[in-house]
Amino acid sequence: DAGVIQSPRHEVTEMGQEVTLRCKPISGHNSLFWYRQTMMRGLELLIYFNNNVPIDDSGMPEDRFSAKMPNASFSTLKIQPSEPRDSAVYFCASGGQGMYEQYFGPGTRLTVT
Amino acid sequence: TQLLEQSPQFLSIQEGENLTVYCNSSSVFSSLQWYRQEPGEGPVLLVTVVTGGEVKKLKRLTFQFGDARKDSSLHITAAQPGDTGLYLCAGATNDYKLSFGAGTTVTVRA
Repeated sequence: DAGVIQSPRHEVTEMGQEVTLRCKPISGHNSLFWYRQTMMRGLELLIYFNNNVPIDDSGMPEDRFSAKMPNASFSTLKIQPSEPRDSAVYFCASGGQGMYEQYFGPGTRLTVT
Repeated sequence: TQLLEQSPQFLSIQEGENLTVYCNSSSVFSSLQWYRQEPGEGPVLLVTVVTGGEVKKLKRLTFQFGDARKDSSLHITAAQPGDTGLYLCAGATNDYKLSFGAGTTVTVRA
């Protein structure tokens, strides 16, 4: 059974460019979470969806960040325009109905120069 | 400020020694989870504890949830190099959001 799939695994872009990160959750899971991990701030929740609906986006740093979940098997996190301080590892995680456990993807390492 | 405080931040021990990692909070959680993360990978769930006072064992790993459901500990017996990694605790509230601690980096030397 495939786990959470994220793409790309690595992204290097220049400041001001648009970045789109992609996630395919585990089939059958109805919750999806986007996190950002840095050395300074650790693992931070950005947004989470339940049944494709955004429930809490209070962790999204600013309007440059947006996330969508058009269907149960796909989600995107977009940064436009990107800035060097957005450099981090971005994780997607999914969880099943009534489950507190979350299953993480391998992450996307984003570097903005 | 982290909702969950983990200690110590770093731990380096020799193979065969025991270690304990602590996770403390002033908040009550519905459940608490422990994850291990290796470089270049996402966190991997080790265990979930739900009941105050609960103790769970996973081979050489022992997890305990405090009676008041505010704190937890992870104890590793006879650590091996394969136990090396970043250990993260995470507390869950009723809306299934997780609050993560900053993590404890464990290095087991052969």
